[in-house]
Amino acid sequence: GNSVTQMEGPVTLSEEAFLTINCTYTATGYPSLFWYVQYPGEGLQLLLKATKADDKGSNKGFEATYRKETTSFHLEKGSVQVSDSAVYFCALSVINTGNQFYFGTGTSLTVIP
Amino acid sequence: GAVVSQHPSWVICKSGTSVKIECRSLDFQATTMFWYRQFPKQSLMLMATSNEGSKATYEQGVEKDKFLINHASLTLSTLTVTSAHPEDSSFYICSAQSSGFHEQYFGPGTRLTVT
Repeated sequence: GNSVTQMEGPVTLSEEAFLTINCTYTATGYPSLFWYVQYPGEGLQLLLKATKADDKGSNKGFEATYRKETTSFHLEKGSVQVSDSAVYFCALSVINTGNQFYFGTGTSLTVIP
Repeated sequence: GAVVSQHPSWVICKSGTSVKIECRSLDFQATTMFWYRQFPKQSLMLMATSNEGSKATYEQGVEKDKFLINHASLTLSTLTVTSAHPEDSSFYICSAQSSGFHEQYFGPGTRLTVT
């Protein structure tokens, strides 16, 4: 089946530290992979995506590379800011399952000054 | 970019009453809309998928008579929680997808509190 396993949090980092949030997946078809961010009290916002193997999604200093060989899509940022504090969700979608999204459990990130 | 709105953003209702939540795609036609439920500090749980003009498909364990979904137009879907109980209190999020596009666009969510 389709599923996403995401690194458990919470994660607390100092400002300007390096961030990695691990995400691995299982999929029956050819998935597209996504990272969404949820700020307190708000809905989900698309952070970045990759639709095929070896694609790199990037946005606002965040990056993730679609690794088919390791079935991973780890989120990285070289220097986090206080404003990056949020919950991050890894997700996949496979067209042949009606575009249903499968979400990881979310990783809470707190960045302290 | 594509914008999805939800109304209301929060609602408090008494046990036994019904409450309707609207989800609108503001600048694109949403052939498919999804409704999710999110408990505190947990991930999103897909409740149902609705296609414009047809009946919604509910996920296993979701009561279709309790959570009524209507997708009457290409820009509007509604979720009605009937005979609400305190255990229905949650954060409800919708998302919308346009035909031919893989990406889903999420609404800001509606916080429902049943007293």
